[in-house]
Amino acid sequence: NAGVTQTPKFRVLKTGQSMTLLCAQDMNHEYMYWYRQDPGMGLRLIHYSVGEGTTAKGEVPDGYNVSRLKKQNFLLGLESAAPSQTSVYFCASSSTGTSGGASSYNEQFFGPGTRLTVL
Amino acid sequence: ILNVEQSPQSLHVQEGDSTNFTCSFPSSNFYALHWYRWETAKSPEALFVMTLNGDEKKKGRISATLNTKEGYSYLYIKGSQPEDSATYLCAFPTSYDKVIFGPGTSLSVIP
Repeated sequence: NAGVTQTPKFRVLKTGQSMTLLCAQDMNHEYMYWYRQDPGMGLRLIHYSVGEGTTAKGEVPDGYNVSRLKKQNFLLGLESAAPSQTSVYFCASSSTGTSGGASSYNEQFFGPGTRLTVL
Repeated sequence: ILNVEQSPQSLHVQEGDSTNFTCSFPSSNFYALHWYRWETAKSPEALFVMTLNGDEKKKGRISATLNTKEGYSYLYIKGSQPEDSATYLCAFPTSYDKVIFGPGTSLSVIP
């Protein structure tokens, strides 16, 4: 049981290049999220998904696109990278509802993070 | 705009000291309140999920209390150890699908 995994772990891009970050979870969670973490800013939600084939914008969606073609995978794309997108990106997943009568209350399970530098 | 605040921003304590932090969240439409521990170079991990006013949770030397009516939660660490050094995040689910994180309290425990 790997939990939440992210690839790649590190990446350096030049301004204008594109890339895709992959998040995978094996916990059968319905909800998946992409956050970015910047010094002094905490975790900010980029996009999220409440199920296969659905996506929604979070707090800071501009410059990013996402897709959830399979329940276990959530892709984050940067079409034209900018230096302002230099950050650490975390994927998370959570379960919707009840298991054995106890709700998960949207407890987040995080991946190890991807450190992205845009030059 | 819903806001989750944490104080202090950072804290340096001596090994053996007890300490506490505060999380403030909107008191209306309460669903749950999460506390996460985030060690350097790792990813956040849940410490507590709190749901009821007056809730008190404990894990070893770490405990948390919840006041949903006034919108705050306290995290206490008794007898801090160097391995407690981390950033402690609180998070407020705004609905069944989204969570807002506070900025965190960074704790350094000096041996």
